[in-house]
This record gives sequence, C-alpha cells and structure tokens, in this order.
Amino acid sequence: AQSVTQPDIHITVSEGASLELRCNYSYGATPYLFWYVQSPGQGLQLLLKYFSGDTLVQGIKGFEAEFKRSQSSFNLRKPSVHWSDAAEYFCAVARNFGNEKLTFGTGTRLTIIP
Amino acid sequence: EPEVTQTPSHQVTQMGQEVILRCVPISNHLYFYWYRQILGQKVEFLVSFYNNEISEKSEIFDDQFSVERPDGSNFTLKIRSTKLEDSAMYFCASSEDQGETQYFGPGTRLLVL
Repeated sequence: AQSVTQPDIHITVSEGASLELRCNYSYGATPYLFWYVQSPGQGLQLLLKYFSGDTLVQGIKGFEAEFKRSQSSFNLRKPSVHWSDAAEYFCAVARNFGNEKLTFGTGTRLTIIP
Repeated sequence: EPEVTQTPSHQVTQMGQEVILRCVPISNHLYFYWYRQILGQKVEFLVSFYNNEISEKSEIFDDQFSVERPDGSNFTLKIRSTKLEDSAMYFCASSEDQGETQYFGPGTRLLVL
C-alpha cells in the first residue's frame, strides 16, 4: 500500500524567505503526486500535481515541486513566501491506475513571521 | 470557476443519531469521494463512488456508513448511528474522470456529543 511521509510537522519562515516542504512517498510504481493547501477553516485546494513527464511542475500561487524518483520525494518549494501562504500543506499520493483514492501525509503547518 | 459545495458547514448531533452530510459535486464530474479528517490527524479516505456504486472503501467505512446519489446533483454520506469517534471534518471531492484531479469541498465539521 502507498504511504506518504511529511517529516516536518511545523515550519516557521520569514516573509520573503524561500521555502521547501518535504514529502517522501512509498509506492511500488510511479504514483500520481499532489500538494494541497488548507487555510484555516477552509477546504483543500490543489496547488499542483505530477502525473508524468517533466519532473519539475509549476503550480498556483508561485509554488513548484520536483519529483525525484531516486529519492522517492516530491518536495514543494517557493522562492519567496508571503504572509498569505500561512496554512497547512498536505502531500498526497494516488495509484496511477484504477480508482484513485488519495493517501495523505500528516501535513506541515507553515507559519510566516514578519 | 465551478466548485464542490457541502452542507451543512457544521453539525452537532447526539451519539446514536443518524446524520446525513450533503455534497454537490462539480456538474460534469463522474467520480465522487468522501474523506474525513479527525482533529489534528491526517485526511483519510473513506469511499469512492462511480456509476451509482461504490468503487472502493476503506476499513473505516463500515456498515454504519452509506453513500447515495439520490438525484443528478447531490452526493450524500449517511452515518446511521453516530459515535463519539465520528467527530471529524468530512470532505467531499469529485473528479472528472478516473485518475483526474480531485477537487475538494470546504468540508462539514461534525461534532458528536
């Protein structure tokens, strides 16, 4: 069965600083990979996804993520964070065939300081 | 932009009562899902639904749970006899096709007393 590990429970960065959120997955084949963001009291919004092709994917709000098969990782990055980026970030994996239930990581809470 | 909607946003119920959580998926989507998130824990898959039948369900989705698409627009999750441990945020999601992106609703926060 697939699994997702987000090793950082909570990260604090200064506004304007760069950001990298880590995600490692466990799956026998190349999975579908996703990053979702959850703002307080809100639902889950898709930031970006990787299905195949170019391993560096661009998403909304200036986020990007890089799929590294050798490291089983799909880390999320942003060159310069804004106060509005404060939220909970979830990495998720799905099988690449059949009905795609999402398996989520435990999430990383991002705090932005002025 | 089309979005998934859920009602109610919050529901408080007594243990043992039945609750129905409602979702309106994006109109041209064919695959529907329910997930839940217990406070402080990860989002967990409950069930997927396609062509008027369950495609897959997790071990959480026992006989107390059921899903239904009663008409062309709504997708419901029923918990027959709620337990304290059912308290969670319940998210509905839909996707256009198999393997396509799942779009989530804002969730229903259920509190069982």
